[in-house]
Amino acid sequence: GIQVEQSPPDLILQEGANSTLRCNFSDSVNNLQWFHQNPWGQLINLFYIPSGTKQNGRLSATTVATERYSLLYISSSQTTDSGVYFCAVEGNNNDMRFGAGTRLTVKP
Amino acid sequence: DAGVIQSPRHEVTEMGQEVTLRCKPISGHNSLFWYRQTMMRGLELLIYFNNNVPIDDSGMPEDRFSAKMPNASFSTLKIQPSEPRDSAVYFCASSIQVGSAEAFFGQGTRLTVV
Repeated sequence: GIQVEQSPPDLILQEGANSTLRCNFSDSVNNLQWFHQNPWGQLINLFYIPSGTKQNGRLSATTVATERYSLLYISSSQTTDSGVYFCAVEGNNNDMRFGAGTRLTVKP
Repeated sequence: DAGVIQSPRHEVTEMGQEVTLRCKPISGHNSLFWYRQTMMRGLELLIYFNNNVPIDDSGMPEDRFSAKMPNASFSTLKIQPSEPRDSAVYFCASSIQVGSAEAFFGQGTRLTVV
């Protein structure tokens, strides 16, 4: 099946800093989503972004499907941004596969 | 809509017992996914349904696991008999259509098998 790699695995930031999270995938995809798993374990939808660029407040995402990667940008990070960020892709088999995630810690 | 609803939220059971996890997808969604999350293996896709039909169950770990979707508003994941290594958080997700729409997750069921 399709392989999904996320980097970095861990990231520690000072509040107010910016960051970029990366998701690489091994094959063409029909669908790509970014999720945030909060400290309570809930998976929160951030972006549905099979291609192009989207922005939502301090977060934005870009997917370059032809080059098989997506980026999640977090600007002016806050302590509430802490948690694990997952990238999930659906390939031609329509099975949605997750990367291992990036664990973000934002310190006050 | 209340979103994807899973029950129970927590389950503690003894090894060898049968466990049934339940999921109600968002109304109007035609695709449903079951995932298992552990520290060691991350989020693993177990099985997914489209229009109540199982499409791919290659992620189901072994014959002790089974899943059904008798109608568009209900699915179950059953483990019989349960083992301590089945301890994990099990998530259900639904989307309007597999392959081309955003998926939404339930809050998960934390299963502990002792």
